[in-house]
Amino acid sequence: DGGITQSPKYLFRKEGQNVTLSCEQNLNHDAMYWYRQDPGQGLRLIYYSQIVNDFQKGDIAEGYSVSREKKESFPLTVTSAQKNPTAFYLCASSIVWGQPQHFGDGTRLSIL
Amino acid sequence: GQQLNQSPQSMFIQEGEDVSMNCTSSSIFNTWLWYKQDPGEGPVLLIALYKAGELTSNGRLTAQFGITRKDSFLNISASIPSDVGIYFCAGTASIQGAQKLVFGQGTRLTINP
Repeated sequence: DGGITQSPKYLFRKEGQNVTLSCEQNLNHDAMYWYRQDPGQGLRLIYYSQIVNDFQKGDIAEGYSVSREKKESFPLTVTSAQKNPTAFYLCASSIVWGQPQHFGDGTRLSIL
Repeated sequence: GQQLNQSPQSMFIQEGEDVSMNCTSSSIFNTWLWYKQDPGEGPVLLIALYKAGELTSNGRLTAQFGITRKDSFLNISASIPSDVGIYFCAGTASIQGAQKLVFGQGTRLTINP
């Protein structure tokens, strides 16, 4: 079945450590996105990529980095510069930029 | 920037009741989307609306794209326990020459059996 796979489901980070969240899609979608969701809140856009080898900052990009070397993969790195990284992270994709987005099941990141 | 005001923030209803929630904005949106999120999972697209005035159904769910393009509502008829979750509206708007998707804060639906 086609879909978006995020891994791991749960991730723990030590202070000062970088961690990378995986997002893979087999939908042949051009556009991919990363969102952060805090308890009781809506979704805030971290980074997005309209096409392979291109990505842009979203509304809350500070302390995060991404790469888009392959069409199907859009990993997110939460760096030590992100002072409040505990959140639920959601990856999404759409056929092209501006079309309805389909989401993965998320990764919950916690600080040890 | 563009903001969506989603209401109500939470709803507590009896099984079998109808549900209505809406999103409003002071800005014009080009599309409206409605998602449902179950605990610990990603949002699932329920309905997509592309034209002002459009009324679309998906089973017991009905959504409309407001004629002014500044609002949308979602109705759920005859609610059942599996309707429990958080419902998000989202709209796409042209911001600084690019299409951007903006999310509402969500409506948490709780159903008493």
